[in-house]
Amino acid sequence: DAGITQSPRHKVTETGTPVTLRCHQTENHRYMYWYRQDPGHGLRLIHYSYGVKDTDKGEVSDGYSVSRSKTEDFLLTLESATSSQTSVYFCASVGVLTDTQYFGPGTRLTVL
Amino acid sequence: AQTVTQSQPEMSVQEAETVTLSCTYDTSESDYYLFWYKQPPSRQMILVIRQEAYKQQNATENRFSVNFQKAAKSFSLKISDSQLGDAAMYFCAYRISNFGNEKLTFGTGTRLTIIP
Repeated sequence: DAGITQSPRHKVTETGTPVTLRCHQTENHRYMYWYRQDPGHGLRLIHYSYGVKDTDKGEVSDGYSVSRSKTEDFLLTLESATSSQTSVYFCASVGVLTDTQYFGPGTRLTVL
Repeated sequence: AQTVTQSQPEMSVQEAETVTLSCTYDTSESDYYLFWYKQPPSRQMILVIRQEAYKQQNATENRFSVNFQKAAKSFSLKISDSQLGDAAMYFCAYRISNFGNEKLTFGTGTRLTIIP
């Protein structure tokens, strides 16, 4: 699998606090994605990036923002965390000439 | 919009037996990819098998094979000689064929239990 890491792996925070999750890949992949996983919903796309400083919204983007200043890093920020954002967050990446997304290990976020 | 449906929330199979997980999808595209991902208790998403829609031959990876029925928009996963390590959530996923910049659409998953 591609070298994709996520940090932190677990986080507990309080409602209203800002949270940033980091995804780091060592494969020089151009495309990166943030998904959230919730019971009964599978994985749903939050935001994605098709290059440095090029990002776009997915189907569940409200309350989230992203940034990509380097090819290898894709940050997901919850500006003011809410309990509905308690979830497991996955990052994925894919290269230009491949067709398969490889996933990071996930981050479990709990918002109290 | 594309949708992916996995109608079996849970399934179980005896060790060494064969099990088939169902997946249907809805799309107006003619060229796309389909995937099965496995998620064990470790939570890691692991690619099991992929199928290009333009290929009529069903994909096979060791004990895992698919039955791809394009006209019926069906993409089932067959696991032969089930092993305890196959116990996991299995997700079916779809994407159109533009390389790289197309997102995956996932089904809701099927939890597979292996009975020793």
